[in-house]
Amino acid sequence: DTAVSQTPKYLVTQMGNDKSIKCEQNLGHDTMYWYKQDSKKFLKIMFSYNNKELIINETVPNRFSPKSPDKAHLNLHINSLELGDSAVYFCASSQGAKNTEAFFGQGTRLTVV
Amino acid sequence: AQSVTQLDSQVPVFEEAPVELRCNYSSSVSVYLFWYVQYPNQGLQLLLKYLSGSTLVKGINGFEAEFNKSQTSFHLRKPSVHISDTAEYFCAGRSGGYNKLIFGAGTRLAVHP
Repeated sequence: DTAVSQTPKYLVTQMGNDKSIKCEQNLGHDTMYWYKQDSKKFLKIMFSYNNKELIINETVPNRFSPKSPDKAHLNLHINSLELGDSAVYFCASSQGAKNTEAFFGQGTRLTVV
Repeated sequence: AQSVTQLDSQVPVFEEAPVELRCNYSSSVSVYLFWYVQYPNQGLQLLLKYLSGSTLVKGINGFEAEFNKSQTSFHLRKPSVHISDTAEYFCAGRSGGYNKLIFGAGTRLAVHP
């Protein structure tokens, strides 16, 4: 029973397309995150939602739009995909946004060609 | 600046030898600190965490870490490594009013027979 699940696991698409990545957590957590891991394995936070409200919005192009329909879901929509968007995107969740660890999904490897 | 610094990008070690992976955090990062492990093509798994209390923290797979406030360090150690410990290891800390979980650049542990 996967705690944080993302779909799809792999996504190959052409430049200019629009795509979405879905994330669901069954841990009952109230905070969810999107992270981007580049080719050098560096992890950078993109967004964070607490109780469906956006609390962190890092310097991310506005082509990236997160949506949280409820506390258990946080989806990431990307418009007009560019080559530089190729990366592994991780969804994570935590109970609270202060002093707790985050639990991560398996990642979505996005390749833009 | 809010930062978590991992001092070694790669650490090669022979099987059954001890290992230490180094992590330092800036003063603007909270003392809520974590170590994660990432096996190839997988998500991040929590190894251990320091929130408060004893400065020596024990985690899974025989790993432990010591929180040192005066040196702003949180180094990870294992007395005897196995081939299966080969992975990427990330140190992380809470920042930005603790809403953000920020990561170091990662240390690649390569265990050789």
